[in-house]
Amino acid sequence: KNQVEQSPQSLIILEGKNCTLQCNYTVSPFSNLRWYKQDTGRGPVSLTIMTFSENTKSNGRYTATLDADTKQSSLHITASQLSDSASYICVVSDRGSTLGRLYFGRGTQLTVWP
Amino acid sequence: EADIYQTPRYLVIGTGKKITLECSQTMGHDKMYWYQQDPGMELHLIHYSYGVNSTEKGDLSSESTVSRIRTEHFPLTLESARPSHTSQYLCASSSEQGAYEQYFGPGTRLTVT
Repeated sequence: KNQVEQSPQSLIILEGKNCTLQCNYTVSPFSNLRWYKQDTGRGPVSLTIMTFSENTKSNGRYTATLDADTKQSSLHITASQLSDSASYICVVSDRGSTLGRLYFGRGTQLTVWP
Repeated sequence: EADIYQTPRYLVIGTGKKITLECSQTMGHDKMYWYQQDPGMELHLIHYSYGVNSTEKGDLSSESTVSRIRTEHFPLTLESARPSHTSQYLCASSSEQGAYEQYFGPGTRLTVT
């Protein structure tokens, strides 16, 4: 069964600290993996997209890694800010589908305290 | 910020009412999607469209219906709302060049009393 599991479910950190969010998936075949940020009451916004051949990608203070062999990804946030408080969703797309089927994780709820 | 819009943002309605959730995008994208999301849960695809006059049901069974008469417009309709329809509904679109990037609207928070 194609699944995307994220950990931790929730995380509280102090402003300025770093943190790492984890994503494990069983989706096969694999096309790409993306991380989205979803603020409360808003739609998800894309942070990074990685294909099979990419193992790291950065977007400002966000750095995503991908290990396609172990089917694991992580999202590292550096020097956290209050505005980083949001849900971070890992999404995996399969191959062989004209729709580009997406499998969503439940997200990690990050809270940054001052 | 993506050019995809949803109205209303919040809706509280009584059981049995008919409602239509609006979704519009100005990016000229062929593919559009409707997702349902409950708090703390993953997004579930309920409808999608490849283009004008194309609509398909998604993975999660839904009593809603959709239409795609114009490229930029993808409304979702509930003929008779029930409390079980209470949820957040997210609309998204992507270009024909790839399903890599889906742009999401801000969502409609629906509460059926």
